[in-house]
Amino acid sequence: TQLLEQSPQFLSIQEGENLTVYCNSSSVFSSLQWYRQEPGEGPVLLVTVVTGGEVKKLKRLTFQFGDARKDSSLHITAAQPGDTGLYLCAGAFLPGAGSYQLTFGKGTKLSVIP
Amino acid sequence: GAGVSQSPRYKVAKRGQDVALRCDPISGHVSLFWYQQALGQGPEFLTYFQNEAQLDKSGLPSDRFFAERPEGSVSTLKIQRTQQEDSAVYLCASSLAGLAARSSYEQYFGPGTRLTVT
Repeated sequence: TQLLEQSPQFLSIQEGENLTVYCNSSSVFSSLQWYRQEPGEGPVLLVTVVTGGEVKKLKRLTFQFGDARKDSSLHITAAQPGDTGLYLCAGAFLPGAGSYQLTFGKGTKLSVIP
Repeated sequence: GAGVSQSPRYKVAKRGQDVALRCDPISGHVSLFWYQQALGQGPEFLTYFQNEAQLDKSGLPSDRFFAERPEGSVSTLKIQRTQQEDSAVYLCASSLAGLAARSSYEQYFGPGTRLTVT
């Protein structure tokens, strides 16, 4: 069973601060996705990374995929109250391990205080 | 509609009742997934369809859970003789491509059905 560990589990910060969320596994991902989920809604896809060392930016959000494709990070610059939500990483593992299904971490619950 | 829709949004069932949860995927999407999300947890895979074929049902927790997608579009997840441990949010997701296409990893989720078994 592939496991994804996310840290921290909870994060409460002031508006304007920076933060980083981590996603780690002992297994190699064929691709990794980050989602944001708000209460009562389904996860919304933010980004997909597929290449080791890849960095993608989405406005104030920066996503990095580790060189060995076992870990990823999400960095938010100058957090805004609208960034509040549950951030989930989800990995698709190499073929032979049910690669068409996603394995999710437990998520990081972010609260940005105005 | 442009996104994945699910109905009902909320369902309260008495223990022992049968329930049916519906998913309307994005039009033209080949792949359809069902996930179960317990409170405070990430979603967990239940089952996968490519068109009308159910290719993976390894995540279904018991034989009380049954899913179908008879015409390759709308899908129904049925839970027979509901138990309290079935209480969760049931999420449906769809993706454009089928197996072996990397784009199939990009899944688009519906809002979920919150099932409460009393």
